[in-house]
Amino acid sequence: GAVVSQHPSWVICKSGTSVKIECRSLDFQATTMFWYRQFPKQSLMLMATSNEGSKATYEQGVEKDKFLINHASLTLSTLTVTSAHPEDSSFYICSARPYGSPKGNEQFFGPGTRLTVL
Amino acid sequence: LAKTTQPISMDSYEGQEVNITCSHNNIATNDYITWYQQFPSQGPRFIIQGYKTKVTNEVASLFIPADRKSSTLSLPRVSLSDTAVYYCLVNNNAGNMLTFGGGTRLMVKP
Repeated sequence: GAVVSQHPSWVICKSGTSVKIECRSLDFQATTMFWYRQFPKQSLMLMATSNEGSKATYEQGVEKDKFLINHASLTLSTLTVTSAHPEDSSFYICSARPYGSPKGNEQFFGPGTRLTVL
Repeated sequence: LAKTTQPISMDSYEGQEVNITCSHNNIATNDYITWYQQFPSQGPRFIIQGYKTKVTNEVASLFIPADRKSSTLSLPRVSLSDTAVYYCLVNNNAGNMLTFGGGTRLMVKP
C-alpha cells in the first residue's frame, strides 16, 4: 500500500512551452501533497505545499505564476511548469501525506519526473 | 526546523556494517528523526523513524542517544544495491513539510 505515482516519468519539451506533471496517490487519500525539485547531485528542495481544495503555499523564491499547482481531488495534484526554460530542467518529485494518518509527518514519495527543456 | 548535519560521503565494502551519523543539535521535544534512502532518478524511500533509544526494522537500526542531538543509522551487511544517498530528517508530528539536508552518499564497493 501507500503508493504514489507520477506521470510522466520523463518529458522533453521546447523552451517556452508548458508542461504538466501529475501526482497521484493510488491507494490512499491525501489531503496534502508536496512538490520538490532536485538538481543533479543536490538535495531535494521543497517548492510548494498543496492542500486539496485550496491554494498552494509556495516556498520563498518559487514563482507561483510559473509553477502552477492544482490539487482538485484527494488523490491528484498537478504541477504545471509554464513557459519552461532550460534552467527549469530538473527532477521533480511529489510526496503525499495520507489523510487521517496518526503520524502527522508520514509522507510517501513518487518516483519523480525528469524534465528536460531544450 | 532543526538543521541536520551528515557526512557528505562514505565508502564501504560488501558485507560490512555501515553507520551513518547525523547531528541535530537543535532538535525540539516534539521532533522525530527519520531516515530516507534515495537511488538516482528515483524518489526517496522511507527507511526508519525513531524518537529515542533504539529502533530496529527489517532494513536498518536507528540509535538515538539520550540527549537526542544526534542519531546513527546502522545498515547491517551492506550490499552493492545499498549504494545510494541517505537523508536524515528531523521534524515534528504536526504535519509540516519535510526539510532535506545534504544527505550522505554511500558507495558500497565489491
